[in-house]
Amino acid sequence: AQKVTQAQTEISVVEKEDVTLDCVYETRDTTYYLFWYKQPPSGELVFLIRRNSFDEQNEISGRYSWNFQKSTSSFNFTITASQVVDSAVYFCALSESGYSTLTFGKGTMLLVSP
Amino acid sequence: NAGVTQTPKFQVLKTGQSMTLQCAQDMNHEYMSWYRQDPGMGLRLIHYSVGAGITDQGEVPNGYNVSRSTTEDFPLRLLSAAPSQTSVYFCASRLSRRSGANVLTFGAGSRLTVL
Repeated sequence: AQKVTQAQTEISVVEKEDVTLDCVYETRDTTYYLFWYKQPPSGELVFLIRRNSFDEQNEISGRYSWNFQKSTSSFNFTITASQVVDSAVYFCALSESGYSTLTFGKGTMLLVSP
Repeated sequence: NAGVTQTPKFQVLKTGQSMTLQCAQDMNHEYMSWYRQDPGMGLRLIHYSVGAGITDQGEVPNGYNVSRSTTEDFPLRLLSAAPSQTSVYFCASRLSRRSGANVLTFGAGSRLTVL
């Protein structure tokens, strides 16, 4: 069975600090996909990134970066120079190959204060 | 494109009442699903469908019914609402039923309160 653990329930930082959101996953499948979604205070769910299990390259998109490590079953998300607009709940999620559903972690609430 | 449309956005029910949350998508997606979001619990899968006429249970299916008579629509029915069903409900769809790689597109959510 697939499982996603986000151990950090809530993180508070001051603007311009760097922050890392942790995500640990469990799966028996060799082909799987990892996702991050953002849920701002307005409530919608916004897709941020997808990574497949065969691509361990780290990815950077502006102030966002993702570190995928199969050896530790982790897919961590770092925000550099955080901004107030980054305040949101962030969800890590996992799906396997084939007819698979998407399993979410419990989410990490990030509060960025000015 | 409207994407995934959920109605209503807000609903208050009394215990024992029934209601249907509507979900429609105009992207010709094969796969559709319903999640509920509760504080500290993340998003949990209620039911999903891999195509018209095919539905299956997710992690928390009790108290909910679904059907998929068309590709576009996937309503979620509460037959006898209970306070434990107070939650925010999200409908989501993806292009292919076979590929976990596809990105799920979410509706805006429906906030349900059961008194």
